[in-house]
This record gives sequence, structure tokens and C-alpha cells, in this order.
Amino acid sequence: ETGVTQSPTHLIKTRGQQVTLRCSSQSGHNTVSWYQQALGQGPQFIFQYYREEENGRGNFPPRFSGLQFPNYSSELNVNALELDDSALYLCASSTGTSGVTTDTQYFGPGTRLTVL
Amino acid sequence: AQSVTQLDSQVPVFEEAPVELRCNYSSSVSVYLFWYVQYPNQGLQLLLKYLSGSTLVKGINGFEAEFNKSQTSFHLRKPSVHISDTAEYFCAVIRQGAGNQFYFGTGTSLTVIP
Repeated sequence: ETGVTQSPTHLIKTRGQQVTLRCSSQSGHNTVSWYQQALGQGPQFIFQYYREEENGRGNFPPRFSGLQFPNYSSELNVNALELDDSALYLCASSTGTSGVTTDTQYFGPGTRLTVL
Repeated sequence: AQSVTQLDSQVPVFEEAPVELRCNYSSSVSVYLFWYVQYPNQGLQLLLKYLSGSTLVKGINGFEAEFNKSQTSFHLRKPSVHISDTAEYFCAVIRQGAGNQFYFGTGTSLTVIP
């Protein structure tokens, strides 16, 4: 039990729609990262937020966006869904300071998104 | 650019036998190294990490890993596996001084056979 929760557990959308995924981090964890894990693959880094500001981004298009709130919750928004967006989306929180992520990341169980 | 290669996608092993899960990385700069475990329908859990110091790192659940800079490897070992070790294992790196992006391997599925 990591103390990181994600909602919903599963979600089905159709191509072109928009989706919002939510993550609730442990209290005091001011850094949250989001990952996309396609079936049979390792997680791919989408972006990281530190104190409500984006603090690094992987190779994902701008239709992937995020927000982090003062209450240690965060959101991943994906616009104009494509079939290839079907994946497990993981959030991970840590106490790492900006630019340093060697502190332990605590992962949530993920949201399984299916795009039809 | 960084890449992480996990050479074995599936590793079956009998209960109480030793196991080694292999991980190699490529990077033009020094890296920090991590092993994570993912049980079915759960998120990833940190097993161990190498930041600096002794190249032999001990983690949770009896796992250990050895950093070999010359061979750019960070193989995970356990001398005697249990049924409960059946899971997916991921190796990951972060570039030193470039903080926050993890690069994960494609994972190794460990199956412990009774």
C-alpha cells in the first residue's frame, strides 16, 4: 500500500474524445510524475509536476496535459484520443525537490484506458 | 540519449532456486539505477536503487543488484526465490544532473514454479 490512489480504475472512451485521469498523492509529496504503460512495455515518462508547475516532459504531444493542486492531487488530461492512447496510466509521487528525482517514487495502481 | 535493455522477457525458475534478471543500459553520462517490481493489477514498487558508493546494493525481499560500470550493467539477483516473487520486474535509469525523467526497460516476467 503506497498511499497513492488513482481514479477511475478502468475507463473506455472513443477516438476523438477527451479524458481526465486523477491521482491523489501522499501528504507532503510535492512531486508527481505521470507514465503511460502500453501492454507488454515498460512505463514511458509523460511529464512531471513540482509545486504545481510542469518540471520536465517526455516525448508526448501537447494534447497530453496536466495539473497539480495544492492538496497533493493531480490530473492528466488527454485530448483528441487516438487508438494508440490505450494503455495503463500510472502516477507516482515523491518528496524529490525540483530537478532531482532520486527519492523513492510511490506508484499508484493505475488507470486502464481503452480507446475504441 | 538513454536506453535500457532487459535481455530476458520471461524467466521461469523453480522455487528455492537462484535467479538473475539482466539489465544493461546505454548513456553518454553517468546514471542512477533502479529496479522496480510490479505485481498483477498493482503499481510499481521500488526494490532497490544505486546512487553512489558500494556497487553491491541490497533491497527488499532478499533481492540485490550489482552495478558494473565497465559493462554498463545492473543485474538483479536473489539466491532463493519464492512463489510470491512471481511478478514483472523493471529496470530504470535517470541521468545524473538531469533530474527527473525515468527511462524504463521493457520488463522481465519472472514466474516461480512450485
